[in-house]
Amino acid sequence: DAGVIQSPRHEVTEMGQEVTLRCKPISGHDYLFWYRQTMMRGLELLIYFNNNVPIDDSGMPEDRFSAKMPNASFSTLKIQPSEPRDSAVYFCASSLAGQGRDEAFFGQGTRLTVV
Amino acid sequence: GESVGLHLPTLSVQEGDNSIINCAYSNSASDYFIWYKQESGKGPQFIIDIRSNMDKRQGQRVTVLLNKTVKHLSLQIAATQPGDSAVYFCAENLSGYSTLTFGKGTMLLVSP
Repeated sequence: DAGVIQSPRHEVTEMGQEVTLRCKPISGHDYLFWYRQTMMRGLELLIYFNNNVPIDDSGMPEDRFSAKMPNASFSTLKIQPSEPRDSAVYFCASSLAGQGRDEAFFGQGTRLTVV
Repeated sequence: GESVGLHLPTLSVQEGDNSIINCAYSNSASDYFIWYKQESGKGPQFIIDIRSNMDKRQGQRVTVLLNKTVKHLSLQIAATQPGDSAVYFCAENLSGYSTLTFGKGTMLLVSP
């Protein structure tokens, strides 16, 4: 398996533009997690899905952020409109069981810069 | 091992030394812990895990120690190599929950 695949690897966009980050989890994994990483706040969980259903989105910072998982092999994280403070590295991770019972495998991340 | 503000705690060692990275976790009810390694430009990578019914677990060149009394976790790396240079995160899971809470990380720098 190629692991968790994220695209794009880098994204530079202007403030106010819509940004869509994409993730393909490892085949067969039931859980998918979206994290944001900054120097100030470290790794923060934004939202996670179980069997394509959003379970906890309490980490999503604002209504500007939304995430979907239309099927077991694809998820998106959308920011609309984007702001400079959204600049961060966004990671997608998947696991076979929840993270309390199984390790999560992370993608390479998408480095987002909003100017 | 927890960071304050913008700067990660950094541990600098010589190649061949043993390294110990520490982590104070937050919730006494957490019962599953993982150490992740993150190299520059990459996502976190699983190293080793431990459950709360254990106080020590060994892997290849790595050992994790858990002290529940003081809510302390440590990662020991034997014969540290330049390839071990990375940021190391501890993460905890609260029983019944499906997610991990990550610490801020410690940077390990290994010089030849």
